[in-house]
Amino acid sequence: EDKVVQSPLSLVVHEGDTVTLNCSYEVTNFRSLLWYKQEKKAPTFLFMLTSSGIEKKSGRLSSILDKKELFSILNITATQTGDSAIYLCAATHTGTASKLTFGTGTRLQVTL
Amino acid sequence: NAGVTQTPKFQVLKTGQSMTLQCAQDMNHEYMSWYRQDPGMGLRLIHYSVGAGITDQGEVPNGYNVSRSTTEDFPLRLLSAAPSQTSVYFCASTTGGYGYTFGSGTRLTVV
Repeated sequence: EDKVVQSPLSLVVHEGDTVTLNCSYEVTNFRSLLWYKQEKKAPTFLFMLTSSGIEKKSGRLSSILDKKELFSILNITATQTGDSAIYLCAATHTGTASKLTFGTGTRLQVTL
Repeated sequence: NAGVTQTPKFQVLKTGQSMTLQCAQDMNHEYMSWYRQDPGMGLRLIHYSVGAGITDQGEVPNGYNVSRSTTEDFPLRLLSAAPSQTSVYFCASTTGGYGYTFGSGTRLTVV
């Protein structure tokens, strides 16, 4: 059975802190790992990772994939209250582009 | 360019009623899928489609039907609603694994 596990389940930090969110996966026919941010409505796309060891960056957010150890991390530096959200990771599968296997998400709260 | 449009945004049903959640995309995406999101469970795949006329079951298909008569539309039918189907439903589409676009969701309550 395909499985994606995220940790921690929830996290409260102070503005300015750096956080690391974890995502491990056991998925047949793995193709890529996606990160999403979900505030009140639909998930919004952050990163797609297909190759091991290549960091992707967008502003204060960065992410990397380790295909040998089957995990990914999402880093957020200098957190702001606007970073408060649920962060989801999902695995995609070769041959079945419609299918995403999601983790349960990490709920991040950034306080002043 | 509207992207993925879901209707309705909110719905309350009585147990045993039927309804259809609508999903339409205007990006000519081949691949479409339906997910439900429950607290502490993440998003779980209900049904998916790889093109017009082709659908398949996901992780939690029981109680739901789908059809894909056109590329644009992928409705989700609840035949006899149950309280266990209370959830937030998301439709998503993609060209083929790069760039999934989600609709804004339908919050369904079954009483």
